[in-house]
Amino acid sequence: NAGVTQTPKFRVLKTGQSMTLLCAQDMNHEYMYWYRQDPGMGLRLIHYSVGEGTTAKGEVPDGYNVSRLKKQNFLLGLESAAPSQTSVYFCASRAGVPREQFFGPGTRLTVL
Amino acid sequence: AQSVTQLGSHVSVSEGALVLLRCNYSSSVPPYLFWYVQYPNQGLQLLLKYTSAATLVKGINGFEAEFKKSETSFHLTKPSAHMSDAAEYFCAVSDGRGAQKLVFGQGTRLTINP
Repeated sequence: NAGVTQTPKFRVLKTGQSMTLLCAQDMNHEYMYWYRQDPGMGLRLIHYSVGEGTTAKGEVPDGYNVSRLKKQNFLLGLESAAPSQTSVYFCASRAGVPREQFFGPGTRLTVL
Repeated sequence: AQSVTQLGSHVSVSEGALVLLRCNYSSSVPPYLFWYVQYPNQGLQLLLKYTSAATLVKGINGFEAEFKKSETSFHLTKPSAHMSDAAEYFCAVSDGRGAQKLVFGQGTRLTINP
């Protein structure tokens, strides 16, 4: 099993450009999450999904959209990137039980 | 609302010394608590978790943590530090309900001195 994978690993955008980050998991997990990690702030939840076709807002959803058309994939979109969205983005997934989340390797995004 | 405070953004210990990373939480319901480790340029890996069973929880790589309700704490310890323990450590809390969203502390960077 590959676990949780994220594409791409690195990306540089200019202000106003758009992009989509892809998260894929092969563990048949129901729950998926997108976080951003910024220095000194830990990880903050952007959006999450409790199953295929569902999404919900987390702590810092502004400027991001998500979709979960297939159970194994969770996409994070930036419609008009801003420098404040420069961060490392992590995807995670979880089965119903046990309760821990499994994390992907991250995507480092820089917005100029 | 839930929250986590990790005391000390940087901790430095000598190889072979005790490691103590502090975590205090706030939760209006019985919490589920987690410690994750992040090695440079990698994702987060679960060290251990507390899910209302035994209050002393043992994890991977010789780490353990004790849930103390009266002190609202879940400190992480390891008796003898190894160079390979150098990493960033995150404490997180969940209410165990629904989506079981995690709220993370700000992280503690552990440095091991030879």
